[in-house]
This record gives sequence, structure tokens and C-alpha cells, in this order.
Amino acid sequence: EAQVTQNPRYLITVTGKKLTVTCSQNMNHEYMSWYRQDPGLGLRQIYYSMNVEVTDKGDVPEGYKVSRKEKRNFPLILESPSPNQTSLYFCASSLDAGGNSPLHFGNGTRLTVT
Amino acid sequence: AQSVSQHNHHVILSEAASLELGCNYSYGGTVNLFWYVQYPGQHLQLLLKYFSGDPLVKGIKGFEAEFIKSKFSFNLRKPSVQWSDTAEYFCAVIHGSSNTGKLIFGQGTTLQVKP
Repeated sequence: EAQVTQNPRYLITVTGKKLTVTCSQNMNHEYMSWYRQDPGLGLRQIYYSMNVEVTDKGDVPEGYKVSRKEKRNFPLILESPSPNQTSLYFCASSLDAGGNSPLHFGNGTRLTVT
Repeated sequence: AQSVSQHNHHVILSEAASLELGCNYSYGGTVNLFWYVQYPGQHLQLLLKYFSGDPLVKGIKGFEAEFIKSKFSFNLRKPSVQWSDTAEYFCAVIHGSSNTGKLIFGQGTTLQVKP
């Protein structure tokens, strides 16, 4: 089954404790992206990747890192999480970045930073 | 800067009522348009999309949307809603020849359908 898999689904952590949210897709998509969803703000792009070893900042990249060492995986790293990073995170992928193929979303990771 | 505006933040309807959710975007060039739905506790799923051609597009579950270029609008409609349509709906836009793949999302509209 074609899907985008994120783990974990729920995560509660404390300020400053490094964490990684994993994302994997099995559709051989070139393009992958991370979004955060906050009430009243919709979804905002954090980082995106056009292909292996090619990543770039989205609209809200501060406090986040990503890597794309393999085509299928695109982990999101919070080196020193802070309470303002409490949010619902979605990983997404699409065939390409050209806008002609829709994004496929993972199930989301609800992160709480205390 | 590109932006997407969804006029209704929270809509409450009774079953069988008709639905129209407004979406306007600010971008003068060629755009591709999407509506996504997020059922409670789930991820976003594609409802329908418009790339070119007939401006009236039909999606899953009886939804349709009309692209009106002159009004920069892409409103979502359904003639008769069901309780199972209770969800959050997001309009999204991308530049037609984007090289960043960045979808611009609206703020979302929460639809509550009362049985």
C-alpha cells in the first residue's frame, strides 16, 4: 500500500531534549516536505527536499533540521525543542516539486514540549 | 506574497443542507488548486484538484469545486452534506510551474454536521 509513515504518532518531551521524528515513503517520490499545523494558522512548511541530499528551508525553519540521505526517508530533527514547537507535524511527499502531483500526507505526529 | 484565504472558519450545518466553502488566493500567474480534508484525528486527504481544463472539478464523496479565474476563487461545494462530512477542510494553492513544491494552505474551515 502506497503510504507515508511517520513515527511516533504522539510525543511528549521536555525543553532542550533532542528528538527526531521519522518519515518514510514507499512511492519512490522525489519530493518530500514537513509541515506544522497550528490552530488558526493552517499548515506551514518547515523544510522541503527536492531529492536526495537536496534540502531547503520553508516558511518556518527556525529550530528544525532535516536530512535526506536516502530517497525514502526524511527525518525531522529538533536539536533543542522549546514549548513554541508544540504542534501537530505532518510529513508529505509527491512525485515531483512541479505542482502537478498532489501531496500525500503521513498520519501526523502530535508533539508536546513542556 | 502568495496567500490563501478561507472565509469561513467554522461552519455548522444540519444533514442534507447544502455546503459552500469559500477560498480565495492572491497570485496572478498560473496556479494549481487543491482541496484537502482532514477527518478528526486523521491526516490530510486529497478531495479534489484543478490543474487546467474544465473549471468545474468533481472530487470524491460528492464534492465539487469551481475555479473562477477572474475572482481568484476556488469554492468547494456539496449539494447535501452528511454527518460523516464533519471534518476540517483546507484549500491550497501552488504556482503552476513551481520549482519548490510549496503548497500554500488556507487557515482551514471546520465543518460540523449535525445529525
